[in-house]
Amino acid sequence: AQKVTQAQTEISVVEKEDVTLDCVYETRDTTYYLFWYKQPPSGELVFLIRRNSFDEQNEISGRYSWNFQKSTSSFNFTITASQVVDSAVYFCALGPRAGNNRKLIWGLGTSLAVNP
Amino acid sequence: DAEITQSPRHKITETGRQVTLACHQTWNHNNMFWYRQDLGHGLRLIHYSYGVQDTNKGEVSDGYSVSRSNTEDLPLTLESAASSQTSVYFCASSAGNSPLHFGNGTRLTVT
Repeated sequence: AQKVTQAQTEISVVEKEDVTLDCVYETRDTTYYLFWYKQPPSGELVFLIRRNSFDEQNEISGRYSWNFQKSTSSFNFTITASQVVDSAVYFCALGPRAGNNRKLIWGLGTSLAVNP
Repeated sequence: DAEITQSPRHKITETGRQVTLACHQTWNHNNMFWYRQDLGHGLRLIHYSYGVQDTNKGEVSDGYSVSRSNTEDLPLTLESAASSQTSVYFCASSAGNSPLHFGNGTRLTVT
C-alpha cells in the first residue's frame, strides 16, 4: 500500500529555533516523486519542493533544507532559524513518476507554530 | 502572472440545493483537479481532467460532477448538497507531471 505518514500533528517553537518536520512514506514503486507543500493561515497551498526517488542529494534553499533517505523511506524538512512567517501547515506527498498527478498520496500535515 | 482563481471564497448553502464552485486557470495547463480538505483526512481527490471533454472520478466523487468545455475552467457541481460535503475545496492544475499549482480554496458550508 502507498502511504505517507507525518507523525507530528502540531509543533510549536520559538522564533530562531531550528525545526524538523518528519515525513515517512511507503511505496512499492521503484521510481517516484516526493513533495512538500506549505499551507499558510491564508489557506492556499504552495509548492515547496519535488524530489525524484533516484536523487538522494540533500537540497537547501535559503533557510529550508530537505533530507531524503531511501534507506529509511523518509523525506524530512528542516527550517533553520525559524520565523513567524513560517507558521503554516506543511504537507508531504508521494506520487508515481507517471500518472499526471492523479495518484498523489498526501500526508495529514504538520501544523507549525512559530512564536515570537 | 498566471494563476488559478476559485470562486466564491466562501459559500453557505442549504441541504438539497445544487451548488457550483468555479475554477479558472491561466497557466494553460491541460490537467486540472478538484480536492476536498477535511480535518483528519487531509486532501482527497474528487475529480480530475486531462483536457477538454475529459473528466475522471477520483476517490471521493459521489455527489459531485465536473465538466471541461475549455482549457481554463473546471467547475465542480454538487448535485444535491449534503452536510457531509461541508469542507474546503481546492482546485489545482499541472502541465503533465509537473507539480500542482493550487487555487486559494472555497470554504463551503452546507446547513
